[in-house]
Order: sequence, then structure tokens, then C-alpha cells
Amino acid sequence: RKEVEQDPGPFNVPEGATVAFNCTYSNSASQSFFWYRQDCRKEPKLLMSVYSSGNEDGRFTAQLNRASQYISLLIRDSKLSDSATYLCVVPTNTGFQKLVFGTGTRLLVSP
Amino acid sequence: DAGVIQSPRHEVTEMGQEVTLRCKPISGHDYLFWYRQTMMRGLELLIYFNNNVPIDDSGMPEDRFSAKMPNASFSTLKIQPSEPRDSAVYFCASSSPGQGSDEQYFGPGTRLTVT
Repeated sequence: RKEVEQDPGPFNVPEGATVAFNCTYSNSASQSFFWYRQDCRKEPKLLMSVYSSGNEDGRFTAQLNRASQYISLLIRDSKLSDSATYLCVVPTNTGFQKLVFGTGTRLLVSP
Repeated sequence: DAGVIQSPRHEVTEMGQEVTLRCKPISGHDYLFWYRQTMMRGLELLIYFNNNVPIDDSGMPEDRFSAKMPNASFSTLKIQPSEPRDSAVYFCASSSPGQGSDEQYFGPGTRLTVT
């Protein structure tokens, strides 16, 4: 099993839709998780951190299921500007600062 | 703050040439990371430093790759000799978990093409 696995997509949704991505991870000892956003030909930027069961920030909600070892990202009321690749990120068990990035899920929001 | 600065932004070189990528982390950050991103393999950690000391270089693909951090404000990633399979986007990132945030701040990247 890969350390971090994501559906590459793309997810094509209309403006205003609700969309959810899942990410599975293999390291059961992981205590924290992150979602990074990467626009085309740009650097990744932190979107959300998840330290407990979940986190909510405006239209974005991240949820953690430790028993099944997956993390989800829910985006409500999608905007055109949400079009990007969303990277699921998990620390390794060899060092909290050593992160493993998923290959990303691409989201395309259309008018 | 200017953020993480990388140079050059684009580099095109011929196979066999030496390539040096440069990074200036955010002032005050004590961790520095070098990543490589390709379509096939995604974003991979090559090496990271803490207080200028290399902590984990297990991601460095082979001896052709080397990285240094001579001081807190500068790091280099060198490839010698370069090969076409080294073509990728190389990102530098920095962080300061001691300041209460685990976020890694990425630079704009260096797009390397080896012909």
C-alpha cells in the first residue's frame, strides 16, 4: 500500500456544487495531516491542517477517520477560483517534518 | 516578507553539464527542504536541513545530487553530471515549527530541462 493515495481525477463540477475528495494513508501512527493546494505551474500552499477529527474553514471542511485511515476534503459552494490540484499530505513516522505528498486530485470548476 | 526565493526560475542545459539551484529560505525559519516534482512521481522530498545541518538525505536519487546549506539564509542543490531524467520542477521550502506552525512555505520552483 502506498503511503498516501489519492484519486487523480479530474473532478469536473459546476459552480456552486459541493465536491469531496478522499485520501488514504498507510502510517497508522500519523497524528496530523494536511491539505495543500497547488495551482497550475505554481508552488503548493497550505490549505488546511487536521490534528483531531476534523477542521472547518469557511467553505472547506476536512475530516479524519483514523479507524479507516482516510482523510476527506469537502468543498461547498464551489467557485471558479477553486480549480486547482489538492494534495493530501501525511508526516512519516521517521520525522514530523518529513512529509509525504499524495500525487494530488485535480478539480475543475466550470461556469 | 519576500517568501522563499529560488533561482534560477528556469534552467535549460545539456546532458552532462553541472546544474546549481539556489534557495533563500524565509528569515528565521530553521528547516529547509528540497523537493522534486514530476508528472510521474509527484512531489518527492530529496533532503532536508535543520539549523543548516542535513537531517535526512534518503530521497537524494544518487551521487550525482548534492546539497549544501552553508548558512541560515542560503542553500544549493547541485546536479553533476545532469541527465535528461533529471528534468523536473525543483522546489525549496522552509518552515519554523517552533513558532507554532507546521506549515512548509514553498518557493516558486526551478523548472529544469536537461536535453
